[in-house]
Amino acid sequence: QKEVEQDPGPLSVPEGAIVSLNCTYSNSAFQYFMWYRQYSRKGPELLMYTYSSGNKEDGRFTAQVDKSSKYISLFIRDSQPSDSATYLCAMSAPDAGGTSYGKLTFGQGTILTVHP
Amino acid sequence: KAGVTQTPRYLIKTRGQQVTLSCSPISGHRSVSWYQQTPGQGLQFLFEYFSETQRNKGNFPGRFSGRQFSNSRSEMNVSTLELGDSALYLCASSFRLAQETQYFGPGTRLLVL
Repeated sequence: QKEVEQDPGPLSVPEGAIVSLNCTYSNSAFQYFMWYRQYSRKGPELLMYTYSSGNKEDGRFTAQVDKSSKYISLFIRDSQPSDSATYLCAMSAPDAGGTSYGKLTFGQGTILTVHP
Repeated sequence: KAGVTQTPRYLIKTRGQQVTLSCSPISGHRSVSWYQQTPGQGLQFLFEYFSETQRNKGNFPGRFSGRQFSNSRSEMNVSTLELGDSALYLCASSFRLAQETQYFGPGTRLLVL
């Protein structure tokens, strides 16, 4: 079983819809939680990051982390065709020395299409 | 500020050859990480460098190696290429070692024939 599970979709929604993307994880040591967006033939682009549990909002995007359930979500309000991309959740835990969070563990990615 | 740059962008090699990929981090960033992305396995961590030292390593065979230079630029090398090494290789940089946010480059797409 993978450490991070993400429904690959694909997910197709009409413009203006609210999109909900989710990941579950098994490693309780994860402390940082991130969402990346990746357009075709491009590198991942950091959307949001959250430390520990809680909510974070940035414009049309809201990230939620529930560490007790080992579940994270990304909500996209008023979705636009330009939001069509693959969305990747990522998580990190401190290394053995506690000095690095540089190893990101990714979900498989959810392919999202927003049609006009 | 310029983003992470990777060269070359595309590469075709044959089995048994070796390859070197290059990454220049965002100016001022000192930590560089490398990832492999394939359709089957997704994004997998290869290694992380900071101050010319490898700080973290993923579960890849010893054929995969890397290094970082004093100007924070990094290279990764894959020796004795196998067909399964065909992938998008992504480099990410962050300002400091214990920083949770990483910024990715466009990647180098490697095809092994």
